[in-house]
Amino acid sequence: GNSVTQMEGPVTLSEEAFLTINCTYTATGYPSLFWYVQYPGEGLQLLLKATKADDKGSNKGFEATYRKETTSFHLEKGSVQVSDSAVYFCALSDLNTGNQFYFGTGTSLTVIP
Amino acid sequence: GAGVSQSPSNKVTEKGKDVELRCDPISGHTALYWYRQSLGQGLEFLIYFQGNSAPDKSGLPSDRFSAERTGGSVSTLTIQRTQQEDSAVYLCASSSPPGLAGVSDTQYFGPGTRLTVL
Repeated sequence: GNSVTQMEGPVTLSEEAFLTINCTYTATGYPSLFWYVQYPGEGLQLLLKATKADDKGSNKGFEATYRKETTSFHLEKGSVQVSDSAVYFCALSDLNTGNQFYFGTGTSLTVIP
Repeated sequence: GAGVSQSPSNKVTEKGKDVELRCDPISGHTALYWYRQSLGQGLEFLIYFQGNSAPDKSGLPSDRFSAERTGGSVSTLTIQRTQQEDSAVYLCASSSPPGLAGVSDTQYFGPGTRLTVL
């Protein structure tokens, strides 16, 4: 079946540190992969996505590359800011299973000045 | 344009009462999803509607939970005989159909309904 496993948090970093949040997936077909972000007190919103192998999604300085060989979609940012403090969710969507989305459990990130 | 809206934003109820939560998806989105987010937990899939197809109810935790989608647009999630463990934020999301390439589109989330069962 389909599933997403992401790094457990919480993660605490100093401002300007490098961020990696690991995400691996299991899928029966060729899924699309997503990172969603939930800022404090707000709803989930799409951060970036990649729809096929070797694609790189990027937004707001965040990047993630769709790695089919390692079934991974790790989120990275070279220099985090306090405003990046949020909960990050990795997700996949697989048309073979009717376009249902599968979410990881979320990773809480706190960036301190 | 208007995003996904949900009502009410907050609902406090007593154990054993029934509640209805409403979701208005983005116009033209054929797919609609309900999730539950408990405190400190990830998103738990509940149910998925796609166009006129039979809904995927595989995530509903018990027969106290049901959902319908009228006219392919507005959806209502009903929880009967609420229990304290039903307390959570209930999220609705919608997405447009997969494109010609057959690629799943992005989900757009509503602000959620925070349900508290006393």
